[in-house]
Amino acid sequence: GAGVSQSPRYKVAKRGQDVALRCDPISGHVSLFWYQQALGQGPEFLTYFQNEAQLDKSGLPSDRFFAERPEGSVSTLKIQRTQQEDSAVYLCASSSLSDTQYFGPGTRLTVL
Amino acid sequence: QKEVEQNSGPLSVPEGAIASLNCTYSDRGSQSFFWYRQYSGKSPELIMSIYSNGDKEDGRFTAQLNKASQYVSLLIRDSQPSDSATYLCAVKSSGDSWGKFQFGAGTQVVVTP
Repeated sequence: GAGVSQSPRYKVAKRGQDVALRCDPISGHVSLFWYQQALGQGPEFLTYFQNEAQLDKSGLPSDRFFAERPEGSVSTLKIQRTQQEDSAVYLCASSSLSDTQYFGPGTRLTVL
Repeated sequence: QKEVEQNSGPLSVPEGAIASLNCTYSDRGSQSFFWYRQYSGKSPELIMSIYSNGDKEDGRFTAQLNKASQYVSLLIRDSQPSDSATYLCAVKSSGDSWGKFQFGAGTQVVVTP
């Protein structure tokens, strides 16, 4: 596809469940970012990949959050034992060698 | 103190008027600055990037950067109802070689017909 895609678009989880969010970046984009956006706030950085290497995971809120990009293209953000405070929109963005980040549509996670 | 600050708004602007949005940042070494527009329920889309002090114009949009004062602004001329959205300021930090993006909380703009 022409843009960044994310799936699922909406996810409802019961507290304590594990979830996996997928991101398909623009073909050929080396850099991939995950952000968490709470209602009324700007995106907050979670983690960054350059190809398959996770170069920065300083924004991950806890050890319940894990991200991978094993083949340097598709990435998965996994949240274990979800809590209500994990409810947010999770945005994925990709970029080539320039600074411009292109965002996907996001996954809205609701934890009940 | 957040690293990137914006007035949350809402900023109400009559149709055809100029909307003026401001953003301040704390990392003096930052070199790259971006304005994103985000419609309700949608993802951010890039409007403009600016790297040098001064003004940069693109259509109805003008970005202004003053690194000495650590602020970046966005002007929207001839505002249209379709400009009603939240505008996010993003700053690429200087601490890492790849540069982490810090976003402000956004300014909501409402253009009234």
